[in-house]
Amino acid sequence: GEKVEQHESTLSVREGDSAVINCTYTDTASSYFPWYKQEAGKSLHFVIDIRSNVDRKQSQRLIVLLDKKAKRFSLHITATQPEDSAIYFCAARDYNQGKLIFGQGTKLSIKP
Amino acid sequence: DMKVTQMPRYLIKRMGENVLLECGQDMSHETMYWYRQDPGLGLQLIYISYDVDSNSEGDIPKGYRVSRKKREHFSLILDSAKTNQTSVYFCASSLSLGGQDTQYFGPGTRLLVL
Repeated sequence: GEKVEQHESTLSVREGDSAVINCTYTDTASSYFPWYKQEAGKSLHFVIDIRSNVDRKQSQRLIVLLDKKAKRFSLHITATQPEDSAIYFCAARDYNQGKLIFGQGTKLSIKP
Repeated sequence: DMKVTQMPRYLIKRMGENVLLECGQDMSHETMYWYRQDPGLGLQLIYISYDVDSNSEGDIPKGYRVSRKKREHFSLILDSAKTNQTSVYFCASSLSLGGQDTQYFGPGTRLLVL
């Protein structure tokens, strides 16, 4: 089945800079890749997703890139703000079973 | 207002006791999930429910069972809890499984098994 690896367990960037979180997946048939955000002590909520029919999607300061050849996708947060501090989880939808497979999470810290 | 609720939010149990975690959603979502979250492991899927009385094992079902008798309600049961089941448990729901529907998560239950 699908496996998702999230490469950075922690990431620290200065406020106003960009942050990039990278994920890889194993199943070439996967076609849906959402990202979730978990603020400290809270639950997860959806932030952005990308489908395999495009290679880039933007929602305000969030950009998701998908490289199907390399089986890699990434979340770019531009002009970071303190409220961007959180754990970010990437996920891929398992083609056969339909469930989401989550990465291990990246803890993003925004330094003033 | 789309919402997933979980009860209780915090629970302390002794090893061998039974545990019942409850989840509710007000969105008439077909599909519901139970996950556990442990540091460094991300989210691990315990069970999926496709609808009432239609449940399927996830990746780590051992030691758990579920019950879904109403579409809006999904329970996770630990019969004879073990210390390695100490974790944060999240319930989630989505409109369906087959589509690429957003999962909505509950606030989580922190379970400590002594």
